[in-house]
Amino acid sequence: GAGVSQSPRYKVAKRGQDVALRCDPISGHVSLFWYQQALGQGPEFLTYFQNEAQLDKSGLPSDRFFAERPEGSVSTLKIQRTQQEDSAVYLCASSLRHPNTEAFFGQGTRLTVV
Amino acid sequence: GENVEQHPSTLSVQEGDSAVIKCTYSDSASNYFPWYKQELGKRPQLIIDIRSNVGEKKDQRIAVTLNKTAKHFSLHITETQPEDSAVYFCAAVPGGGSYIPTFGRGTSLIVHP
Repeated sequence: GAGVSQSPRYKVAKRGQDVALRCDPISGHVSLFWYQQALGQGPEFLTYFQNEAQLDKSGLPSDRFFAERPEGSVSTLKIQRTQQEDSAVYLCASSLRHPNTEAFFGQGTRLTVV
Repeated sequence: GENVEQHPSTLSVQEGDSAVIKCTYSDSASNYFPWYKQELGKRPQLIIDIRSNVGEKKDQRIAVTLNKTAKHFSLHITETQPEDSAVYFCAAVPGGGSYIPTFGRGTSLIVHP
């Protein structure tokens, strides 16, 4: 595809429900990042993959959050037993290689927990 | 880990004026500093970046300066236009080990016609 694609664009979940957010990075991009963006704030790091390896998950706020990228391409961020504080925009970004090249963002998934 | 502070949080200017947004970072290992523009409801998009081996970079009306000693970098927009209105984010990226961008909290720039 032409850019990073995320789905769904919007998700409303009842508190306690599990959700899965999908990210399709740009083909060939090695690095993939997940960020959480609260309203009026900057993106906050969640986790980072290099190919299929999850090299850093220090930003995941709790063990209810889990991410995978099993074949080094598509990634899924899963949130179990959603809470109201999980409401945010979840952004995925990918970059071609290391080090320090432009990260391309998807349009994000806006998660609202009611 | 890296900590990025960004100021101001809101900046209101008249069309044609200049706008300056400032960021500081804490990790001396950071060596790549991108700036992103995010319009309402849209994805962040890179507008300019600078690496630590240069002190200044310019692209038409946009320029970025970097002071490695003081650990701060700034975005300068000249001759602002209403379409420049957006939220701007700075980021710092370490050069060794972790290549994870750490973002500032953002500056909402409003350009009044």
